Amino acid sequence: TQLLEQSPQFLSIQEGENLTVYCNSSSVFSSLQWYRQEPGEGPVLLVTVVTGGEVKKLKRLTFQFGDARKDSSLHITAAQPGDTGLYLCAGEETSGSRLTFGEGTQLTVNP
Amino acid sequence: KAGVTQTPRYLIKTRGQQVTLSCSPISGHRSVSWYQQTPGQGLQFLFEYFSETQRNKGNFPGRFSGRQFSNSRSEMNVSTLELGDSALYLCASSLEANSPLHFGNGTRLTVT
Repeated sequence: TQLLEQSPQFLSIQEGENLTVYCNSSSVFSSLQWYRQEPGEGPVLLVTVVTGGEVKKLKRLTFQFGDARKDSSLHITAAQPGDTGLYLCAGEETSGSRLTFGEGTQLTVNP
Repeated sequence: KAGVTQTPRYLIKTRGQQVTLSCSPISGHRSVSWYQQTPGQGLQFLFEYFSETQRNKGNFPGRFSGRQFSNSRSEMNVSTLELGDSALYLCASSLEANSPLHFGNGTRLTVT
């Protein structure tokens, strides 16, 4: 089983600050997905990155897939209270469709 | 289009009992996956069904089982419940096996 490690585990910042969340593995993934989960709800897919070195932007969120397809980062610019939630990365094994999830980063943005 | 529906939302059981959770996927989705989410372990993959066949299975004991019906609805069953089975059980559906996952809001199971 391929493991995904996310850091930091918890992050509490003030509105307007920037932040980066990391997702690392020693194994290669064919694709990597980022999800956001709010209390009482299931995770919601934010983005899928497939190509090594790929960068995708979603408004104030920037996602990057490492060149070797072993790691990824999520950068949020000018965080807002609405960004509060659990951010999960999930890698798709090269051998099939099963997803391996990281433990998540709990982000709190204080007004 | 209705999302993934999981029932019940909350469930309280005692040790030794068994429980059945239900998941209705998005209309047209043929793949259903189940995950267990706990604070210490994150999301752990239980199993995946596609067209009524189990395609993948995670590292859970045989007390955890599932099935999928011809209308793609899925159920999972946990027998002889243990305290450690307390968790949020999430179901996700996708159009095909490698398509993006759409999660339901989960069933919160508490075992006392």
